[in-house]
Amino acid sequence: ETGVTQTPRHLVMGMTNKKSLKCEQHLGHNAMYWYKQSAKKPLELMFVYSLEERVENNSVPSRFSPECPNSSHLFLHLHTLQPEDSALYLCASSQDKTGAGETQYFGPGTRLLVL
Amino acid sequence: QKEVEQNSGPLSVPEGAIASLNCTYSDRGSQSFFWYRQYSGKSPELIMFIYSNGDKEDGRFTAQLNKASQYVSLLIRDSQPSDSATYLCAVNTGFQKLVFGTGTRLLVSP
Repeated sequence: ETGVTQTPRHLVMGMTNKKSLKCEQHLGHNAMYWYKQSAKKPLELMFVYSLEERVENNSVPSRFSPECPNSSHLFLHLHTLQPEDSALYLCASSQDKTGAGETQYFGPGTRLLVL
Repeated sequence: QKEVEQNSGPLSVPEGAIASLNCTYSDRGSQSFFWYRQYSGKSPELIMFIYSNGDKEDGRFTAQLNKASQYVSLLIRDSQPSDSATYLCAVNTGFQKLVFGTGTRLLVSP
């Protein structure tokens, strides 16, 4: 266990559904991340929150909407997704540091299937 | 040009051998480098990180960094079947920006 939890672990949704992914970290970190991992592709950084402020948005479609109410919780709201959005969605956290960067610790992921 | 390149493998080694995993990166300004292990169906877990040129050892694992050649590697000594996984190289290319390679699949046969 890395101290980062994600729920649900598996999700099947239709293209017209609205669902949310939840991430919680118990490490006292102040930066949180959403990644997408598709087969045969590298992990793609979607969003970064540092001190609850979004600092990175990697040209992600608006059907993905992140929310970070505090430094321990991160959500990814999903709306009208496409089948190509089916993937493993990973949350990570780190201690916000300047300079060389800090190690990111990953949650177990949510396996999403869009029908 | 991919920012972080890894051979996808699979790299097959017999139990007890040394497995050598390689990674090249394109951003010369990168300062920190990470190796993660990912078992099938699981999330990445950190093995080790390296910031300075040279070698860094942790148990059976040794990370090697050569910034001039933009090359980072991971050596696994006395490989075990439980080491069979995909190994992800990640490079910090800026403030909180970690870029991952596609990973190298390692198979250790008993």
